[in-house]
Amino acid sequence: DIQMTQSPSSLSAFVGDRVTITCRARQDISNYLAWYQQKPGKVPELLIYAASILQSGVPSRFSGSGSGTDFTLTISDLQPEDVATYYCQKYYTAPFTFGPGTKVDIK
Amino acid sequence: QVQLVESGGGVVQPGRSLRLSCAASGFIFSNYGMHWVRQAPGKGLEWLAVTWSDESNTYYADSVKGRFTISRDNSQNKLFLQMNSLRAEDTAAYFCARDHGVAYYFDSWGHGTLVTVSS
Repeated sequence: DIQMTQSPSSLSAFVGDRVTITCRARQDISNYLAWYQQKPGKVPELLIYAASILQSGVPSRFSGSGSGTDFTLTISDLQPEDVATYYCQKYYTAPFTFGPGTKVDIK
Repeated sequence: QVQLVESGGGVVQPGRSLRLSCAASGFIFSNYGMHWVRQAPGKGLEWLAVTWSDESNTYYADSVKGRFTISRDNSQNKLFLQMNSLRAEDTAAYFCARDHGVAYYFDSWGHGTLVTVSS
């Protein structure tokens, strides 16, 4: 099975900051990677798929990049409503494993 | 709009069984693969199982293989998860999620049903 890691596990930043979260796969997964946002007490929501394609309705301050084993999620202008835990998920082959998550909050 | 509503959770003793249901509406259920994902209290997301739109294929996480069975009834727009030999570590919120349709990521989620395994 292909394991997924994320870094950092948590971060705190100011409103307006640029925030970057890294996701790594132990093997090449091409661009078969999705990102989800889970706000406190809420259900996860799809942000990005195919590593870099923004899901409809997601603010443009979110972006994704990467291919192969290394991927990033960037929030270009952090807003208070972005406080959440962010998960990457690989869908190259089953099992469709999630990363452990990165918790983002506001300083 | 897409709606997924889970039911069937509750408190169950270790070793017992439970069957979860997910009622789907707002889309053509038989056109989509469907998944179960769980989240233990205060923990991350764990993918559990998928069934293809026509139930021709199913896949499971190693943690539940042989104990859990995913199934669906396309005539009733329902997804199921039969959970046997439950363990304390199966305590979690269980979500059904819709496959995007051409790839195994999840574009819609239910609100979850809580399963607590405890004596």
